[in-house]
Amino acid sequence: GAVVSQHPSWVICKSGTSVKIECRSLDFQATTMFWYRQFPKQSLMLMATSNEGSKATYEQGVEKDKFLINHASLTLSTLTVTSAHPEDSSFYICSARNLGSGNTIYFGEGSWLTVV
Amino acid sequence: AQTVTQSQPEMSVQEAETVTLSCTYDTSESDYYLFWYKQPPSRQMILVIRQEAYKQQNATENRFSVNFQKAAKSFSLKISDSQLGDAAMYFCASTNQAGTALIFGKGTTLSVSS
Repeated sequence: GAVVSQHPSWVICKSGTSVKIECRSLDFQATTMFWYRQFPKQSLMLMATSNEGSKATYEQGVEKDKFLINHASLTLSTLTVTSAHPEDSSFYICSARNLGSGNTIYFGEGSWLTVV
Repeated sequence: AQTVTQSQPEMSVQEAETVTLSCTYDTSESDYYLFWYKQPPSRQMILVIRQEAYKQQNATENRFSVNFQKAAKSFSLKISDSQLGDAAMYFCASTNQAGTALIFGKGTTLSVSS
């Protein structure tokens, strides 16, 4: 079946550095992907909608200069956390919509980011 | 704007028993979808069940069924014959047909005891 893959699953970076997380749709084309952030024991908070070939749409309160999203192809969206700080440590999950499969939404495995 | 509310932070059930998780939502859309997702400790989001708003019949998937009350904007999940593997966090979510993102409730942590 359709799979969305995220990489890396775990990443530790130093404060002030940038880290990139990739989200790939492995067997379908995704014109739209979504990035969520999840704190422990809390819900998934939508950060932004990633649109292939155009700028991402960010939710209110999400700093677009800090969380850079690029959707350069129909199978890849990337989230770059720039100048990371310890408060950016979180679980980040992407999802992709497969229009060819009844509008089904698939989730990646998620990526744990720890900023030290 | 869509909102999803789960009023039960935690629920517990014994093996083989039945449990119902509550969810209410609000939307101005005429056509929308409702979902229940399960998130085990691995954090992988697993689709449990899906309901199209235009369908009056309640969706069922094996031991999982929903009670969809459109007028009341209620979408509860019933888990029958509960198993230890059902223990997880459950999220109710909605999206509209236009392809916007899933909006999630705060989640309900379900524990299953033997």
